[in-house]
Amino acid sequence: GENVEQHPSTLSVQEGDSAVIKCTYSDSASNYFPWYKQELGKRPQLIIDIRSNVGEKKDQRIAVTLNKTAKHFSLHITETQPEDSAVYFCAASRRSSASKIIFGSGTRLSIRP
Amino acid sequence: GAVVSQHPSWVICKSGTSVKIECRSLDFQATTMFWYRQFPKQSLMLMATSNEGSKATYEQGVEKDKFLINHASLTLSTLTVTSAHPEDSSFYICSASYSGSIDTQYFGPGTRLTVL
Repeated sequence: GENVEQHPSTLSVQEGDSAVIKCTYSDSASNYFPWYKQELGKRPQLIIDIRSNVGEKKDQRIAVTLNKTAKHFSLHITETQPEDSAVYFCAASRRSSASKIIFGSGTRLSIRP
Repeated sequence: GAVVSQHPSWVICKSGTSVKIECRSLDFQATTMFWYRQFPKQSLMLMATSNEGSKATYEQGVEKDKFLINHASLTLSTLTVTSAHPEDSSFYICSASYSGSIDTQYFGPGTRLTVL
């Protein structure tokens, strides 16, 4: 079945440094890749997404890259700040309102002051 | 826009009782709703997908007789955990989408269920 693998499971970076989280997916029909940030006890919050017709997308300090051939996609956070500390999930889906989203296992990001 | 609510936000019940959780789309008509379960320090696991007026599609390993899903209208879906046991204690999150959103799901705030 569909599967999304995410690495690392935990990541600690110095404030101001960059953080990178990597994911791979198995379903070659996936064409929508959202990233979510989840704080403890809260709902997942969509922070950025990328669709299969582009290889890179950037929004201020956050960027995502997609390699469809290798079925890899990554999240890059630059100039990290304490408020970036949270659990981040990658996900993959086929682009349809009825399509299910398959989540990665999550990365707990900690920003050291 | 695209707000999803859940009720209750938390519930504590005794083992053997049933608990109903509501998921509502407040400002849009949700053609599809999804129910997820999240154990502590784990990812969101999809339990089932429901379309208004039709039976829910359950993921492999999810007992449909234990987790009853009703999507009776375009703005309301309910999840009933029947004969709840301590191992059912979890964070239950719903999400909703509509035909115009194409691929975006809007998540509810979640319901924390604790079964004693």
